Amino acid sequence: AQTVTQSQPEMSVQEAETVTLSCTYDTSESDYYLFWYKQPPSRQMILVIRQEAYKQQNATENRFSVNFQKAAKSFSLKISDSQLGDAAMYFCAYRSAMAGGGADGLTFGKGTHLIIQP
Amino acid sequence: GAGVSQSPRYKVAKRGQDVALRCDPISGHVSLFWYQQALGQGPEFLTYFQNEAQLDKSGLPSDRFFAERPEGSVSTLKIQRTQQEDSAVYLCASSSSFYNEQFFGPGTRLTVL
Repeated sequence: AQTVTQSQPEMSVQEAETVTLSCTYDTSESDYYLFWYKQPPSRQMILVIRQEAYKQQNATENRFSVNFQKAAKSFSLKISDSQLGDAAMYFCAYRSAMAGGGADGLTFGKGTHLIIQP
Repeated sequence: GAGVSQSPRYKVAKRGQDVALRCDPISGHVSLFWYQQALGQGPEFLTYFQNEAQLDKSGLPSDRFFAERPEGSVSTLKIQRTQQEDSAVYLCASSSSFYNEQFFGPGTRLTVL
């Protein structure tokens, strides 16, 4: 079974600065997807960024980028120019690329609570 | 539709009661997922539907949990004889296909007294 580990329960950053959230995962599969989700206090989970394991190029979405290290099974999220609206729980998630393998849903880490200091 | 909706948003049940949680996915989305999120934890996968077919129920914690999607749109998660450990937020997500982005609803917070 796959596992996702987020070792930082809480992170704090000054507004406009850069912060990196860590994520490691364990899998025996070679093809999979990795995600970062944001969950604000309102509880609605929002996709921030997605990475396909077969792609060597790191995904980028505006101020959000990832550092994907497949051999190390590491998938960190960098948020540049942090804004007050970035404050939320951030979850790293894994999903197999093969449907019907008995684990069709996302596997989430425990989350990192990101605090933005004004 | 505008987004994934769930009802009720909050449910309080006495231990031993049966509850039913509803999910309305985005119109046209064939894939539907249920997750359970305990306090301070990440969501955990419960079950997955493609249209009306329940293709994966490996995450359902016990036979007290039952999910259905009879017409391939609205889904209901039913919990029989609720226990205190069932207290959690239940999240529903839908996607246009299995491999596409999952859009999440706001969740139903279940409290079992």
